Amino acid sequence: QQQVKQSPQSLIVQKGGISIINCAYENTAFDYFPWYQQFPGKGPALLIAIRPDVSEKKEGRFTISFNKSAKQFSLHIMDSQPGDSATYFCAAGSNYQLIWGAGTKLIIKP
Amino acid sequence: NAGVTQTPKFQVLKTGQSMTLQCAQDMNHNSMYWYRQDPGMGLRLIYYSASEGTTDKGEVPNGYNVSRLNKREFSLRLESAAPSQTSVYFCASSPVAGINTEAFFGQGTRLTVV
Repeated sequence: QQQVKQSPQSLIVQKGGISIINCAYENTAFDYFPWYQQFPGKGPALLIAIRPDVSEKKEGRFTISFNKSAKQFSLHIMDSQPGDSATYFCAAGSNYQLIWGAGTKLIIKP
Repeated sequence: NAGVTQTPKFQVLKTGQSMTLQCAQDMNHNSMYWYRQDPGMGLRLIYYSASEGTTDKGEVPNGYNVSRLNKREFSLRLESAAPSQTSVYFCASSPVAGINTEAFFGQGTRLTVV
C-alpha cells in the first residue's frame, strides 16, 4: 500500500509540445502530492504540489491533474522547452513519510 | 545564500569502514531529512528529524544512524559500510514539521562502497 508507480520511465517531446507524466498511488491516507524536478548533479527541487481537495492546480506552464477516485495524478508541461529537460519525480505521502516514484527522464528536442 | 550544504560530495569506502555524512542548513528550518537515491527507485527516506533534539526512522534505516547536532546540522553515520549502501545520499530540510510542505535538498553525496 506504500507504492507510487510512475510512468513513463523516459519521454522525448518536441519543443513546444505537451509533456505528460503519470503517477498512481495506493494508500488512500496520502494527502500531499508534489512533483519534483531534478537536473544532473543537483538535488530535487519542488516544482508544484497538490492536495486531494482540488482536482487541478496550475502554475505557469505546469499543471497537476488529480483524480482521487482513481488514485492517480499527472503532470502536464505545456509548451515544453529544452530547459525543461530533466528528471521528474512524483511523490505522495502524509505527515513525515513521502513515498517517491521511480522518476521520468524527460528530453525536449529543439 | 547556501541553503542545504552536504559534505563530502564524493566518497569511496571499503566494505566495513565507517564514515559520517555531514549536512547543514542556513534557512532556520525545523525539520531535516536524509534520503538515498538509487537508479530506478526514486528517493527513499532513511531518517528524519522533525525538530531539534528528535530523530525517527524512515523507510530504510537499517545500517545507518543519525545525529541532530543542533538546529542547523544533521549527520548520517554508516558504522560498517556494505556494498548495498552504494548510493547517492541527499539531505533535505523543511521550514515546518511534516513532509507536506516544500523540502529543500542539498546537492548530494555520491558514495561507493567496494
